[in-house]
Amino acid sequence: AQSVTQLGSHVSVSEGALVLLRCNYSSSVPPYLFWYVQYPNQGLQLLLKYTSAATLVKGINDFEAEFKKSETSFHLTKPSAHMSDAAEYFCAVSNNNNDMRFGAGTRLTVKP
Amino acid sequence: KAGVTQTPRYLIKTRGQQVTLSCSPISGHRSVSWYQQTPGQGLQFLFEYFSETQRNKGNFPGRFSGRQFSNSRSEMNVSTLELGDSALYLCASSVGLGTSTDTQYFGPGTRLTVL
Repeated sequence: AQSVTQLGSHVSVSEGALVLLRCNYSSSVPPYLFWYVQYPNQGLQLLLKYTSAATLVKGINDFEAEFKKSETSFHLTKPSAHMSDAAEYFCAVSNNNNDMRFGAGTRLTVKP
Repeated sequence: KAGVTQTPRYLIKTRGQQVTLSCSPISGHRSVSWYQQTPGQGLQFLFEYFSETQRNKGNFPGRFSGRQFSNSRSEMNVSTLELGDSALYLCASSVGLGTSTDTQYFGPGTRLTVL
């Protein structure tokens, strides 16, 4: 069975600081991995996804994530946080793109 | 191209009633997946439909059901509502072929409150 674990339900950073949101996955087959963002009262927006083409995946809004098989990790980073990045972030795993298992989410707060 | 639409956006029901939620996928998408989001359980996969057939199913009781029509629109039904069914129900659509280029796009959700 596939699953993801997001380390840290809340992360707080200062504006301009590095953002690091952690995700570890478990999958018996090579997985597809995703990061989604959710703003209040909205659905999920895809930030980026890993499909085995490249281990460093670049997404929208300067977010990127690196797939590390040896560590079973897919951490999300952004070099410089903006106030508009404050939201909830979800890591997800799938083996077919259509049945995704999500982590519990990490709420990112950006302080001015 | 229009995004995924869900109707209604908000719904209030009482225990024991049933409810039907609707999802219209992006044009050309044949797969529709449903998810339940609650503060306690997070995002949980309900089921996925592809070409009018249920292709995957999560771990939910039989009170939760769905269907998909020939135009790919999907409905999900919850019968005998319980207080714990209060949640944001999200629908996502994709082309559905499961290839690396396939991506799920989410609708804004239907907020169901059970009183």
